[in-house]
Amino acid sequence: EDQVTQSPEALRLQEGESSSLNCSYTVSGLRGLFWYRQDPGKGPEFLFTLYSAGEEKEKERLKATLTKKESFLHITAPKPEDSATYLCAVQAGSSARQLTFGSGTQLTVLP
Amino acid sequence: ETGVTQTPRHLVMGMTNKKSLKCEQHLGHNAMYWYKQSAKKPLELMFVYNFKEQTENNSVPSRFSPECPNSSHLFLHLHTLQPEDSALYLCASSQDPQGRKEKLFFGSGTQLSVL
Repeated sequence: EDQVTQSPEALRLQEGESSSLNCSYTVSGLRGLFWYRQDPGKGPEFLFTLYSAGEEKEKERLKATLTKKESFLHITAPKPEDSATYLCAVQAGSSARQLTFGSGTQLTVLP
Repeated sequence: ETGVTQTPRHLVMGMTNKKSLKCEQHLGHNAMYWYKQSAKKPLELMFVYNFKEQTENNSVPSRFSPECPNSSHLFLHLHTLQPEDSALYLCASSQDPQGRKEKLFFGSGTQLSVL
């Protein structure tokens, strides 16, 4: 069974304090790993897709990396507007149509 | 209007009521999805429609009944729900239902409370 575990569950940072969110996964045949951002009262918004170990993607203050067992979402010099819940999901070969989501990391950036 | 639109945003219903959730996508996508999001739990896939045909039903109780009249519209009909069905119900769409690019576009959801 495909499993996705995100840590920590919640993270509070001061503005400008860089950190990383972790997404560990156990799947048979990874086809893609996805990061989404979800603001309160809204649906998840797509950020990145990573397909193979060693791949990296960047967008503004966010950088996503992928290994064979986990993915990290690095946040550099975060701002209060980066506060949100960050969701990780995997698409595996065994269930090509489905995404298996983690429970998310709730990030709060304090001014 | 662009994106994925869901109505209503909030719904309170009794266990004996019948109600429907509506989703409309303006992205020209071919696949549409219903997800359930409960507090502190991962998103759970409920149903998938591909070119109006239901392709997946993740063992969802029959009190949830989906309907997809065309590729742009998706409904979730609700009847005799239980309090544990209270959750945020999210609709999503994607362009590439068969390939690996399972990039989903979500609506803002319907927050459902069952009393």
